[in-house]
Amino acid sequence: KAGVTQTPRYLIKTRGQQVTLSCSPISGHRSVSWYQQTPGQGLQFLFEYFSETQRNKGNFPGRFSGRQFSNSRSEMNVSTLELGDSALYLCASSLGGSGGSYEQYFGPGTRLTVT
Amino acid sequence: GENVEQHPSTLSVQEGDSAVIKCTYSDSASNYFPWYKQELGKGPQLIIDIRSNVGEKKDQRIAVTLNKTAKHFSLHITETQPEDSAVYFCAASRDFGNEKLTFGTGTRLTIIP
Repeated sequence: KAGVTQTPRYLIKTRGQQVTLSCSPISGHRSVSWYQQTPGQGLQFLFEYFSETQRNKGNFPGRFSGRQFSNSRSEMNVSTLELGDSALYLCASSLGGSGGSYEQYFGPGTRLTVT
Repeated sequence: GENVEQHPSTLSVQEGDSAVIKCTYSDSASNYFPWYKQELGKGPQLIIDIRSNVGEKKDQRIAVTLNKTAKHFSLHITETQPEDSAVYFCAASRDFGNEKLTFGTGTRLTIIP
């Protein structure tokens, strides 16, 4: 079974621009979560989507948004990029559903550099 | 919200020896505790997890123990090998369909041949 895939793997943007990152979950997984990883703040939860609905959200500004499509693929968007948005953005997929947490499997991440 | 503390931040052990990494959590409602291994240039890889109704779980050379009363859990790696060198993260989350993981700050494990 193929793992979680993320595109692109590397991205360089300029301050003020916007960016869209893509994530394809493991086949059959319906939940997609996004995390930001930086040396200073570590791994921080951005948001989680299940069945095209945002089910959970972390403490990030409104410039960070996401969506999920009917095939469970997900995108996240960051508008008006700031230097501090430079990070590794990780996507994780899980079976999801109600009644319990499920194992989350991570993709390789998208390395975003803002100049 | 949940807060997860992880110690030590770096750990060096001789090949063949055991390594132990410890985490504490603050939210008594947390009941799912996974451990991830992250190698350079890769995403975190789930290596073992434990739920609150279990005190210990083993998978070959890796084991995790959980003490809900004290709110701490630990990763034990026995007979360490060079390929165990990586950064290890603990995490915690609540149940009830909550996929939000709160991570510890990571432990860089180096196995000395």
